[in-house]
Amino acid sequence: DEQLVESGGGLVQPGGSLRLSCSASEFTVGSYDMHWVRQLPGKGLEWVSAIGITGGTYFSDSVKGRFIISREDAENSLYLQMNGLGAEDTALYYCARVSRGLWGIGQYDLWGQGILVTVSS
Amino acid sequence: DIQMTQSPSSLSASVGDRVRITCRASQGISTYLNWYYQKPGQAPKLLIYASSNLQTGVPSRFSGGGSATDFALTISSLQPEDSATFYCQQSYTFPWTFGQGTKVEVK
Repeated sequence: DEQLVESGGGLVQPGGSLRLSCSASEFTVGSYDMHWVRQLPGKGLEWVSAIGITGGTYFSDSVKGRFIISREDAENSLYLQMNGLGAEDTALYYCARVSRGLWGIGQYDLWGQGILVTVSS
Repeated sequence: DIQMTQSPSSLSASVGDRVRITCRASQGISTYLNWYYQKPGQAPKLLIYASSNLQTGVPSRFSGGGSATDFALTISSLQPEDSATFYCQQSYTFPWTFGQGTKVEVK
């Protein structure tokens, strides 16, 4: 079955860095737009970052300049390098695959199980 | 940014009831509107895409509709397993944004 598995989360001090990984199986990451979405504790969903098939990258204003999204086709994986972390970044981070129908409308058709990032001293 | 506003924030209904959740976009998004559901401890799952298209495997009691700024998700006959939080999401433009969620409790 197609699957996304995140790793690399954990506890980090304010100002620190963390690199999340998202490993894909049974499909090729490079053939899809891939996104990171986060969920603050007990809250709703917030889009974080995206990388397109051609490599273009996009970031929410809240993480722009601090986070870097990348993809390694040889590893069939997606990454999120998070720098300058603050308490407001504490969340469950999901990687998600974007599929598009006939009209090009995108939707998240596959999600990872999520990985927790806690920023605290 | 496009704001997505869901209504109600929560509801409680009985098995067999018809349930309707609305989602309003702060500007027109055509039919670039998706619905997801999330159960506690689980990742969100796609329910309906492009406003009205049922994702494979989703029961036919779920339906969606709308365009431009006003959308709705309907459950024709609520089932116990429908207890979840439902989110709308626009993919019209970055940043992709979600509604705040509607928590559905089945009595």
